[in-house]
Amino acid sequence: NAGVMQNPRHLVRRRGQEARLRCSPMKGHSHVYWYRQLPEEGLKFMVYLQKENIIDESGMPKERFSAEFPKEGPSILRIQQVVRGDSAAYFCASSPGQGVAGELFFGEGSRLTVL
Amino acid sequence: QKEVEQNSGPLSVPEGAIASLNCTYSDRGSQSFFWYRQYSGKSPELIMSIYSNGDKEDGRFTAQLNKASQYVSLLIRDSQPSDSATYLCAVIKRGTGFQKLVFGTGTRLLVSP
Repeated sequence: NAGVMQNPRHLVRRRGQEARLRCSPMKGHSHVYWYRQLPEEGLKFMVYLQKENIIDESGMPKERFSAEFPKEGPSILRIQQVVRGDSAAYFCASSPGQGVAGELFFGEGSRLTVL
Repeated sequence: QKEVEQNSGPLSVPEGAIASLNCTYSDRGSQSFFWYRQYSGKSPELIMSIYSNGDKEDGRFTAQLNKASQYVSLLIRDSQPSDSATYLCAVIKRGTGFQKLVFGTGTRLLVSP
């Protein structure tokens, strides 16, 4: 499967724990985007990364959230000290570059539940 | 005002009918527009893109763009039950450097047999 791979698909955490979500982009894609989707809401942009660089993190909360896309390995979205409001589906998308910025390929998402 | 607005629905149409999904956007300078389909519990999937005023057809799907009215629509002809999903309108938001894709909240379409 050469698509965008996300894991875990489902993650349950208790308040105060850490959540780590991983995303491997499609083969040949070097641009990764993270979006959050709350129930009955649209996709909210969080962060855009290229290898070893954060390009735009304007949609990411200033505290507790961080993202990286290292030279080797998947992109990781990290949420520290989770709260119930963090419960959502987190989607990763990739694209080959800036050529057509709106044509994104999405992974199946990671659904975080905070107890 | 939301950057991208859609009626949440649900929009219910009988099988074989035309489904019309609408979207308005606030940034008059936007140039690129997209429709994504999302089945329940699944990931969004790009189905149409449109960049110029007028109509763009792809199979049973037609995207329509009117930049003067800041209005984008998606028509689905001969609707099938398998078209039942949430349709997300998305617009490129201009900014310095990075162009961000902004989504509406989506319209839920129900096609009854």
